[in-house]
Amino acid sequence: AQSVSQHNHHVILSEAASLELGCNYSYGGTVNLFWYVQYPGQHLQLLLKYFSGDPLVKGIKGFEAEFIKSKFSFNLRKPSVQWSDTAEYFCAVTSDTGRRALTFGSGTRLQVQP
Amino acid sequence: KAGVTQTPRYLIKTRGQQVTLSCSPISGHRSVSWYQQTPGQGLQFLFEYFSETQRNKGNFPGRFSGRQFSNSRSEMNVSTLELGDSALYLCASSPSDWNSPLHFGNGTRLTVT
Repeated sequence: AQSVSQHNHHVILSEAASLELGCNYSYGGTVNLFWYVQYPGQHLQLLLKYFSGDPLVKGIKGFEAEFIKSKFSFNLRKPSVQWSDTAEYFCAVTSDTGRRALTFGSGTRLQVQP
Repeated sequence: KAGVTQTPRYLIKTRGQQVTLSCSPISGHRSVSWYQQTPGQGLQFLFEYFSETQRNKGNFPGRFSGRQFSNSRSEMNVSTLELGDSALYLCASSPSDWNSPLHFGNGTRLTVT
């Protein structure tokens, strides 16, 4: 069975600081990787996804993530955060055989202070 | 285009009762998935339906069931409710192709007393 670990549960940053949220997964086969974001009072939205190809993936709102297969990691980065990035961020993985069955990490709550 | 619509938004039920939650996917989306979100367990996959057939199922007891209708709308049912079933239940829809992401609704918050 696959699993996802997000080591940072709560991150507090000042505006313009750089962000890196860790995500490690456990699965021996081919995986598809995602980052979702949940802004306060809103539904889950896709930030970016990786299926294959270039391991550096760019998403919406200036976010990017790098898939490092040897480390089973898919860390999320943003060079300069804004107050509007305050939200909860979820890393998720699916296998090639169960693409609609996402396994989510426990989430990271990001608080950006103005 | 309207998003994923879940009804009702809030529900309060008593232990032992049963409950039915509804999800209307985005027009044209044929896949509907259900997830349970709790503070302790996080987001957990319940099941996925495609063209009225259950295609994937998570690790939940048989008290949790679902179905999908010919218009792609979906319902999930929980029978013999337990206190631990209190959660936010999220529905997500997606088109047929595997590379399309899931679009989530705002969820139904179920409280079991």
